[in-house]
Amino acid sequence: NAGVTQTPKFQVLKTGQSMTLQCAQDMNHEYMSWYRQDPGMGLRLIHYSVGAGITDQGEVPNGYNVSRSTTEDFPLRLLSAAPSQTSVYFCASSYGLGPNNSPLHFGNGTRLTVT
Amino acid sequence: DQQVKQNSPSLSVQEGRISILNCDYTNSMFDYFLWYKKYPAEGPTFLISISSIKDKNEDGRFTVFLNKSAKHLSLHIVPSQPGDSAVYFCAAADEINFGNEKLTFGTGTRLTIIP
Repeated sequence: NAGVTQTPKFQVLKTGQSMTLQCAQDMNHEYMSWYRQDPGMGLRLIHYSVGAGITDQGEVPNGYNVSRSTTEDFPLRLLSAAPSQTSVYFCASSYGLGPNNSPLHFGNGTRLTVT
Repeated sequence: DQQVKQNSPSLSVQEGRISILNCDYTNSMFDYFLWYKKYPAEGPTFLISISSIKDKNEDGRFTVFLNKSAKHLSLHIVPSQPGDSAVYFCAAADEINFGNEKLTFGTGTRLTIIP
């Protein structure tokens, strides 16, 4: 059982380049989300999805796009990378929509550096 | 404004002794609290949670205490083991059944267990 799989593990981009961070889960979870972790900031929600075809913005959505065409996949797109997007990105999923009895399962992260 | 605060960035504890990690929150609407544990190069994993209707929840060596009047929760690990060395995040939600997108994370405390 793979759980939540994120690719790539590391990525270096130049300012202005675009890329897609991949996230896939094999647990048939309805809820999926993307967080970024920065020093001294905790985990901040970028975008989330409560099911296929449904996405919404989190706390820090600017510069990122998402789509949810299947239950399993939730890719995060950086449209035009900026140095401020240097961070560690985590994808997370849960069976239910709330933290009660449906805690988040996280992937192992993607470390992104934008130069 | 950080609604969930972990004021100790790091903590070192001798193996076999008690580790106490603290978390303060400012939003009185929070009614569900969770602790996540994170090893290097891995994503956070769920550890233990507590609802605001309780003041204590135990799971093996881990106990979480909630003091609603002080808006404070703590995680006790007894006895501490080397494998407990990790970063611990507390998180809070104000909607337990539909609120995964509203989880607010603290900045984390790095716990080091000294053999």
